[in-house]
Amino acid sequence: DIQMTQSPSSLSASVGDRVTITCRASQSISNSLNWYQQKPGKAPNLLIFAASTLQSGVPSRFSGSGSGTDFTLTINSLHPEDFATYFCQQSYSSFVTFGPGTKVDFK
Amino acid sequence: EVQLLESGGGLVQPGGSLRLSCAASGFTFSTYAMTWVRQAPGKGLEWVASVGSDGRATNYADSVKGRFTISRDNSKNTLYLEMNSLRADDTAVYYCANYQCSPSSCSRKYEYWGQGALVTVSS
Repeated sequence: DIQMTQSPSSLSASVGDRVTITCRASQSISNSLNWYQQKPGKAPNLLIFAASTLQSGVPSRFSGSGSGTDFTLTINSLHPEDFATYFCQQSYSSFVTFGPGTKVDFK
Repeated sequence: EVQLLESGGGLVQPGGSLRLSCAASGFTFSTYAMTWVRQAPGKGLEWVASVGSDGRATNYADSVKGRFTISRDNSKNTLYLEMNSLRADDTAVYYCANYQCSPSSCSRKYEYWGQGALVTVSS
């Protein structure tokens, strides 16, 4: 199976901050990488697919980059509603795997 | 509007069985692949199983292979997860989601999710 890691596991930030989360795959997955946001008690919400394509309806302050094994999710100018947990997911293999998550909370 | 509604969760003893259902509406169910993803309390997301649009192709995570069975009834627009030999570490919220496949590849991007069904395995 393809293993996914994320860093950091958690971070504290303030409204207006720029936040960067990194995801790494154990082998090359081309651009088959998706990002999700999850708030407590809710299902995950797709933010970015194919590494860098913004899902319809997602604010443009979210962006994704990377290919191969190393990927980044960036949130420009953090909004109050962005405090949540973020997961990456590889969709390269039929055996989908998720990263362990990055929790973004208030500084 | 796409809607996915899970049902069938509950409390079950270790070694017991449970069947989850996911009722789909708002899209042509028979043309989408479907998947189950679970989340243990306070933990991350774990892919469980997937099934192709016609129900023939299935894949399972190693953690559930041989114990869980994913299936679908396209005439009822419903996805199922039959869970047997349940263990304490199967305790989780189980989500269903849909995704699209072409003849050559599948997107496996989960745009639509259900609200989740809680399965608790405990004596």
